[in-house]
Amino acid sequence: DAKTTQPTSMDCAEGRAANLPCNHSTISGNEYVYWYRQIHSQGPQYIIHGLKNNETNEMASLIITEDRKSSTLILPHATLRDTAVYYCIVRQRYNTNAGKSTFGDGTTLTVKP
Amino acid sequence: NAGVTQTPKFQVLKTGQSMTLQCAQDMNHEYMSWYRQDPGMGLRLIHYSVGAGITDQGEVPNGYNVSRSTTEDFPLRLLSAAPSQTSVYFCASRLGQFTEAFFGQGTRLTVV
Repeated sequence: DAKTTQPTSMDCAEGRAANLPCNHSTISGNEYVYWYRQIHSQGPQYIIHGLKNNETNEMASLIITEDRKSSTLILPHATLRDTAVYYCIVRQRYNTNAGKSTFGDGTTLTVKP
Repeated sequence: NAGVTQTPKFQVLKTGQSMTLQCAQDMNHEYMSWYRQDPGMGLRLIHYSVGAGITDQGEVPNGYNVSRSTTEDFPLRLLSAAPSQTSVYFCASRLGQFTEAFFGQGTRLTVV
């Protein structure tokens, strides 16, 4: 699986958009980008995933660059409850290791009043 | 639907003891995984399974065994506990290759 690089930490003002970047420059054509978050050492929670098109759901938007070497998770109106560690991971398809999902250290997002 | 259930939630072991961390899911998911998370760190994959009877090693498998005799259960066995295995352990499951993973609430293990 491709390695991902994320900033260690970020701050965001409550009510503003939080833009979390992720670099995955070695991503291959058969790999998806997934985002999860972990609040207060609870179990991680799925947010969104995509292959090459931008995606949006009720939680967030995912913007993937045309060359797919990086992506940005957007929380459109951050609240204090969005304070968490955000993980960007990539996962291969049609691979014998398809059961694997490896997480990095993630980005600690702190939403401030 | 209970989702992914991990037991126990907390456990203290003495060095050299063995124990089994339980993980069960009621969503008929094929894929299950075990992770450990040390303080201030991300998750590291211990073992995973792509279906009943099939398991494989992750990034940090040493000192742990797994088996998958049923779709629902994926227990993690610590053979001889060491202080370095003090961590929070998370179990996860997902339906298929490209679907989202669901995580349990974790087992907090301390080895003294």
